[in-house]
Amino acid sequence: AQRVTQPEKLLSVFKGAPVELKCNYSYSGSPELFWYVQYSRQRLQLLLRHISRESIKGFTADLNKGETSFHLKKPFAQEEDSAMYYCALSGSGQNFVFGPGTRLSVLP
Amino acid sequence: GAVVSQHPSWVICKSGTSVKIECRSLDFQATTMFWYRQFPKQSLMLMATSNEGSKATYEQGVEKDKFLINHASLTLSTLTVTSAHPEDSSFYICSARDFFNGYTFGSGTRLTVV
Repeated sequence: AQRVTQPEKLLSVFKGAPVELKCNYSYSGSPELFWYVQYSRQRLQLLLRHISRESIKGFTADLNKGETSFHLKKPFAQEEDSAMYYCALSGSGQNFVFGPGTRLSVLP
Repeated sequence: GAVVSQHPSWVICKSGTSVKIECRSLDFQATTMFWYRQFPKQSLMLMATSNEGSKATYEQGVEKDKFLINHASLTLSTLTVTSAHPEDSSFYICSARDFFNGYTFGSGTRLTVV
């Protein structure tokens, strides 16, 4: 079965501090992992997908198959990064499983 | 990039009535669309997978007779909440997969049943 966990419901950091949003998954095959972000009053939007291996808005995420993790990182958090972040997994059949989400609050 | 339009963005209806929510892929064709439900302060829960030209695949615990899904064309899927009750009040979100952009989400529909 597909499952995504995000252990932190809320993460608060100060502006300029590094941030890491944790995501672990369970899936028997080769999954496709994503990070989605939802800013206040806006729709869910794609932030990263592991197959593209790119950095968006300073965020990066590396898929660690050994640890079944896909943690999202940014070296210097900005206030505009405050949002809800969802880790998601897509396995066979194209459907998505979302993690519970982590609310990131970047303090001035 | 790919755009998914969802309409209406919010709706208030009386208990016992039915409400239809539309999800359109504006600049790409989507053979598969997905419907999610999000309760306050909770994550998105997949309700069903909508397949163009065939029956939807519902997740366990989702009543298919209550949440009717129709995917009549490659750009349109509809979710009809039948005989709505206050407990159906929620935020409903659709998504579609585009080959180039991955999954794109609609802006969601907030349903309030009074």
